[in-house]
Amino acid sequence: ETGVTQSPTHLIKTRGQQVTLRCSSQSGHNTVSWYQQALGQGPQFIFQYYREEENGRGNFPPRFSGLQFPNYSSELNVNALELDDSALYLCASSPRQISYNEQFFGPGTRLTVL
Amino acid sequence: LAKTTQPISMDSYEGQEVNITCSHNNIATNDYITWYQQFPSQGPRFIIQGYKTKVTNEVASLFIPADRKSSTLSLPRVSLSDTAVYYCLVGVALGNDMRFGAGTRLTVKP
Repeated sequence: ETGVTQSPTHLIKTRGQQVTLRCSSQSGHNTVSWYQQALGQGPQFIFQYYREEENGRGNFPPRFSGLQFPNYSSELNVNALELDDSALYLCASSPRQISYNEQFFGPGTRLTVL
Repeated sequence: LAKTTQPISMDSYEGQEVNITCSHNNIATNDYITWYQQFPSQGPRFIIQGYKTKVTNEVASLFIPADRKSSTLSLPRVSLSDTAVYYCLVGVALGNDMRFGAGTRLTVKP
């Protein structure tokens, strides 16, 4: 069984650019959540997708958007990048919409904004 | 959202038992208590979850008193590889309802 994978591993962008991060959920998982983790802090919830629809959002501006595809893989898009967007972006999948302990995290994408 | 408070950091030595306590005074009736472990540059990994009393798995034990206003994660005989950040979360579903705090940075020394 393949776990959650994310691409790319690392990414460097400049302020004002746009970025797309990708996540392949674990087999059989229909729910994907995205988190932003700044250095030295805990992960902050960005949003969750369930069966291709956004299903909950944290305190992030609209320039953070996402997609979930029929195969349940997902993308996180960030427009007009700011220096503070530099962080580790984590994707987590779960087998159903409301999960207790069944969130499986990927290794993350390290985004650096210069 | 139930707020959690846990120590910022802890030090231990190999072979010792480590107990990390988390305070969650405003826990709701339906809330579960969940602990995650995170190594540098990796995603968090689920360790254990409980609702009341004691839960034990192959990795850790979780002690929850009757009032559920706190919980203690117990790691038996830690090794250097247990050096990580440990997060205590309270809620029903990870995401909107259940949030990560700053966590406890555990350092295990030889």
